Parts: sequence; structure tokens; C-alpha cells
Amino acid sequence: AQSVTQPDIHITVSEGASLELRCNYSYGATPYLFWYVQSPGQGLQLLLKYFSGDTLVQGIKGFEAEFKRSQSSFNLRKPSVHWSDAAEYFCTVVDYNQGGKLIFGQGTELSVKP
Amino acid sequence: EAGVAQSPRYKIIEKRQSVAFWCNPISGHATLYWYQQILGQGPKLLIQFQNNGVVDDSQLPKDRFSAERLKGVDSTLKIQPAKLEDSAVYLCASSWDRTNTGELFFGEGSRLTVL
Repeated sequence: AQSVTQPDIHITVSEGASLELRCNYSYGATPYLFWYVQSPGQGLQLLLKYFSGDTLVQGIKGFEAEFKRSQSSFNLRKPSVHWSDAAEYFCTVVDYNQGGKLIFGQGTELSVKP
Repeated sequence: EAGVAQSPRYKIIEKRQSVAFWCNPISGHATLYWYQQILGQGPKLLIQFQNNGVVDDSQLPKDRFSAERLKGVDSTLKIQPAKLEDSAVYLCASSWDRTNTGELFFGEGSRLTVL
């Protein structure tokens, strides 16, 4: 079965600083990967997705992620964090060994210091 | 465009009681999902519907949980009887695409506390 690991449970960054959230996956073939964001009291929203092609993917709200097959990683980045980016971030992979089920990582909570 | 609607937003019950959650997906979305999100964990799929048929319910505790999607539109998730470990946020999502390669649109969730 596929799995997704987000090594950092909680990260705090200063407003205006750069951000990188880590995600590692296990999958034999080319995975379908997503990053979702969950703001307090709200549902999850898709930030970006990777299926194939260019390994650097641009998303909404100024986020980007880079797929690195050699490292089995799909890290999320943002050059300058805004206070409104404080939220929970989930890395997700489609597991075609389980009928196409979405497998979520445990999430990384981002806090932003003024 | 209206989003995924869920109700109630919050529910507190005692163990062994029953509870039901309702979800209305985005109009035209054939695929509907129910996820359980326990505090500190990522969402876990409970059941996936394609129109009014079940695609995947392998992780649904069928001795206490049931779900239906009559007429292929809105859906109800029921828990009876509830256990303490059922305390979680129940998320409903919908999508155009049953292969999960498209975007899932999530509702705000229904938070259940079992005392």
C-alpha cells in the first residue's frame, strides 16, 4: 500500500520568510500527488497537483512543489509567507493498488509569527 | 457556484447514542466521499459513491456506520451506536472524476464529540 509521510508535525515561520514543507511518499510507479490546505474551521482546498511532466508545479496562493523521484519527495514551498497562510497542510497520493483511493499524510501545522 | 454543504457543523452525543450527518455535493458531481478526520491525523476515506452506487467502503465500520446516497445527489452518514473513538470531524467531498485524479471539493465538516 502507498503511504505518505510528513516528517514535521508543526512548523513556525516568520511572516515574509520562506517556507518548505516536506513530504515523502512510497510508490513504485509515477505517483499522482497533491497538496491540500485546511484553514481553521474550513474544508480542505487543493493547492496544487502533480501527475507527470514538469517536476516543478505551480499552485494557487503563490505555492509551488517539486517532484523528486530520486528522493521520493514532493516538498511544498513558498518564497514569502503571509499571516493568512497559517493552516494545516496535507500531502496526498493516489493509491491505485487500493482502487484509486486518496491517501493523506498526517499533516503539518503551520504557524506564522508577525 | 455553491460549495459542498454539510450539516450539522457540530454535534455532541453520549456513547451508544446515534447520530446522522448530511451532505449535499456540488451540483453535477457524480462522485461523493465521506472521510473521517481524527484530531492530529489526516483524513481517512470511509466510503466513496459513484452516483448512487458504492465504489469503496472497505474502511467503513459496517457494524455501526452506514451511508446512503439516494437518487445520486445528497448523502447521509449514520453512526449507531456511537463509541468514544468515533469523535472526529466527518468530511464530505465531491468531484467530477471517479478516478481521484481530479480535484476534490470538501465541505467544512461535521465535528462529532462522543462523551
